[in-house]
Amino acid sequence: KQEVTQIPAALSVPEGENLVLNCSFTDSAIYNLQWFRQDPGKGLTSLLLIQSSQREQTSGRLNASLDKSSGRSTLYIAASQPGDSATYLCAALYSSASKIIFGSGTRLSIRP
Amino acid sequence: DAGVIQSPRHEVTEMGQEVTLRCKPISGHNSLFWYRQTMMRGLELLIYFNNNVPIDDSGMPEDRFSAKMPNASFSTLKIQPSEPRDSAVYFCASTPTGKVYEQYFGPGTRLTVT
Repeated sequence: KQEVTQIPAALSVPEGENLVLNCSFTDSAIYNLQWFRQDPGKGLTSLLLIQSSQREQTSGRLNASLDKSSGRSTLYIAASQPGDSATYLCAALYSSASKIIFGSGTRLSIRP
Repeated sequence: DAGVIQSPRHEVTEMGQEVTLRCKPISGHNSLFWYRQTMMRGLELLIYFNNNVPIDDSGMPEDRFSAKMPNASFSTLKIQPSEPRDSAVYFCASTPTGKVYEQYFGPGTRLTVT
């Protein structure tokens, strides 16, 4: 069964710290891996997408890595800010657009 | 662009009633997805349309759920009859032509069935 797991479920850190969010997937035959941000009461916003042939993607203070062999992806946030507080979800996409499996998310809180 | 538009934003209904959720995708997008999000099960894909045609509805939980896309600018998700366990946030997402992995999500409809 294809599953995506995110640990921890919640994380609270002081402003300015660098942090890493983890995502693991059971089936390494992914097509790509995406990281999303979800603010309370809102939809999902795509942050980064890593193709299966890539090892990482960067956007501003965000860096996402992908290790298919170990079934893991990480989202690194540098110099965290209170505005980064949100739930972060990763999603593994297999073979077609309809085979997308979401993790349950990590709820991140950045303390001023 | 206004983004993906969903209506209503909140819906409270009694068990047994019919519920219709609506979605207007971004103009020019040719794929549309319906998702359901709950605390217990997270975010689940219900159905996926491409060029108004349902491609994969294996995520639709049961026959009480149905979805239509009569044209490129409108889709509905209907639950009849509704049950308390259908309470969730329902999201619609659309993608540009040729970029099915570049999903743009709507704000969601929070459904409560009492």
